[in-house]
Amino acid sequence: EIVLTQSPGTLSLLPGERASLFCRASQSVDSANLAWYQQKPGQAPKLLIYDTSTRATGIPDRFSGSGSGTDFTLTVSRLEPEDFVIYYCQHYGSSVTFGGGTMVEIK
Amino acid sequence: EVQILESGGDLVQPGGSLRLSCEVSGFTFTRHAMSWVRQAPGKGLQWVSSLSSSGISAYYADSVKGRFTVSRDLSENTLILQMNSLRADDTAMYFCARGLCRSDSCLWFLYDHWGRGTQVTVSS
Repeated sequence: EIVLTQSPGTLSLLPGERASLFCRASQSVDSANLAWYQQKPGQAPKLLIYDTSTRATGIPDRFSGSGSGTDFTLTVSRLEPEDFVIYYCQHYGSSVTFGGGTMVEIK
Repeated sequence: EVQILESGGDLVQPGGSLRLSCEVSGFTFTRHAMSWVRQAPGKGLQWVSSLSSSGISAYYADSVKGRFTVSRDLSENTLILQMNSLRADDTAMYFCARGLCRSDSCLWFLYDHWGRGTQVTVSS
């Protein structure tokens, strides 16, 4: 089973700053099978990015994804107030696993 | 508009059973794989079970295999999770999620729409 490790656990930034969230896989994964979700308090997760770098429908272009092999990154170019929530990476090949999450908080 | 609505969550004693339902609308139910994903209080996401678009194939996490059964009722456009022999570590919010379909394929484990969840608490 592929284990996904997200870092940092918590990221403290200001609105308008750039956020970089990392996801490391325990073994090399097909970059077509890596996604990112955003979860706001009390809500279901929302798909942001899939296939490493494809934005889901309706996702603003300040969100971008990159990476390959074992290392993947979600970048938020300029944080808006509503972006200060939790983010999860996910591998979705022949099996499925989620990372432990990164909380983005207001500094 | 895609709508997914879970129900059936409750407080149940260890060893008990519960039946969760996930009523869907706004899309062709038989085109998409459907899954259950849970989240324990203050914790991350854990995949539980998936049912193929045909309804023939089902997959389960090791932690629930032999205790949970996923099925569907096409007449009600509803996905069902029958949960038996419940344990304290099954306590979680249970989400129902739709597998994404793109131009060339439909995926089991990539989720483009989720319900709001239903709370399952296992405690004496």
